Amino acid sequence: DVVVTQSPLSLPVTLGQPASISCRSSQGLVYSDGSTFLNWFQQRPGQSPRRLIYKISNRDSGVPDRFSGSGSGTDFTLKISRVEAEDVGVYYCMQGTHWPFTFGPGTKVEIK
Amino acid sequence: QVQLVESGGGLVRPGGSLRLSCAASGLTFSDYYMAWIRQAPGKGLEWLSYIRGDGRHTAYADSVKGRFTISRDNANNLLYLQLSSLRAEDTAMYYCVTGDQVRQPDYWGQGTLVTVSS
Repeated sequence: DVVVTQSPLSLPVTLGQPASISCRSSQGLVYSDGSTFLNWFQQRPGQSPRRLIYKISNRDSGVPDRFSGSGSGTDFTLKISRVEAEDVGVYYCMQGTHWPFTFGPGTKVEIK
Repeated sequence: QVQLVESGGGLVRPGGSLRLSCAASGLTFSDYYMAWIRQAPGKGLEWLSYIRGDGRHTAYADSVKGRFTISRDNANNLLYLQLSSLRAEDTAMYYCVTGDQVRQPDYWGQGTLVTVSS
């Protein structure tokens, strides 16, 4: 199975400051059609996960533009340009290229 | 808009069985791959299984292969997950998911909780 790792696992951030989460996969994630199925999800306390970013860098409708995704190969990053109180939660990266699809362990973002 | 509503969770003894359901609306159900993902209490997310729109192709994670069975009823917009030979480690919230591509699910249900305990 493809192992997905994230760092840090805990991220205390000051309101208005940037945050960055790293995601690494044990194998390359380019699918046979040329797409890279690397997604980012946000899970707020007590809620179901919500997709933020798909195919590395495509932001979902309704997702604030302070969220951005980047990367290639096996290294990917989610950035929040200015953290707001509503961003508190756990962030997961997920690879959808190789079955079984796998999630990273999650990064808990909290406000300092 | 797309809505997914899971049901069927509950308390079951080790070795027991349970059938989870997911009622889908707001989409042409038979056009979509559907999948199940679970989350143990306080833990991360784990893909379990997916099924093609016509029901003719399925895939399972090794952790549930041979014990869980995914199926669908396209006439009634229902997705199922039959759980059998349940173990304590199967205790989790079970989510029904779908999307334009199952590889990047953008619709999630609220989940149904399965607790395996004696």
